[in-house]
Amino acid sequence: DAGVTQSPTHLIKTRGQQVTLRCSPKSGHDTVSWYQQALGQGPQFIFQYYEEEERQRGNFPDRFSGHQFPNYSSELNVNALLLGDSALYLCASSLEVSSFYREQYFGPGTRLTVT
Amino acid sequence: AQKITQTQPGMFVQEKEAVTLDCTYDTSDPSYGLFWYKQPSSGEMIFLIYQGSYDQQNATEGRYSLNFQKARKSANLVISASQLGDSAMYFCAMREGVETGRRALTFGSGTRLQVQP
Repeated sequence: DAGVTQSPTHLIKTRGQQVTLRCSPKSGHDTVSWYQQALGQGPQFIFQYYEEEERQRGNFPDRFSGHQFPNYSSELNVNALLLGDSALYLCASSLEVSSFYREQYFGPGTRLTVT
Repeated sequence: AQKITQTQPGMFVQEKEAVTLDCTYDTSDPSYGLFWYKQPSSGEMIFLIYQGSYDQQNATEGRYSLNFQKARKSANLVISASQLGDSAMYFCAMREGVETGRRALTFGSGTRLQVQP
């Protein structure tokens, strides 16, 4: 049973560029959340997708956008990259019917470095 | 105001001893869940234990137990019989009520635990 997978593992981009990160949820899960974790801090919620729609959004600018596909996989897009976007981006999946989320399964993350 | 506060940036414990990691939270929602995650240097967040606000008993999962004091709004993680593999960052997180439509986890700043042989 595959867990949450994310690609790529590491990424280096230049200021002003755009980046796309990908996430495949755990088998059977239908909800995907994205988190940004800056160095030395706890993760911060970016947004959550369910049924291909953004259901909740954290305090992040519109430069951060996402998408969920019919197979429940998801992408996180960041436009006009800033140095402050350098972080570990974590994807978490869960099952909607388990509405109180006893567990959210996290992927290994994508380490984004903006130079 | 911080919703999740972890006041211990770093902790040391001897192998085989017990250790308590502190977590206090702030919410006015009567329905919430509290989580603890372990994050090794590899980066993946590993779920450890969950406590619901209406749960009557403190949660336990193997060597992990959660000391839930609702009136004090604290949810401390107790690790018994520490092992070298327990060395990692530990995060406390909260999810507030589904009724409000909020589904995000709010994390604390973490505690780095180092287990010494």
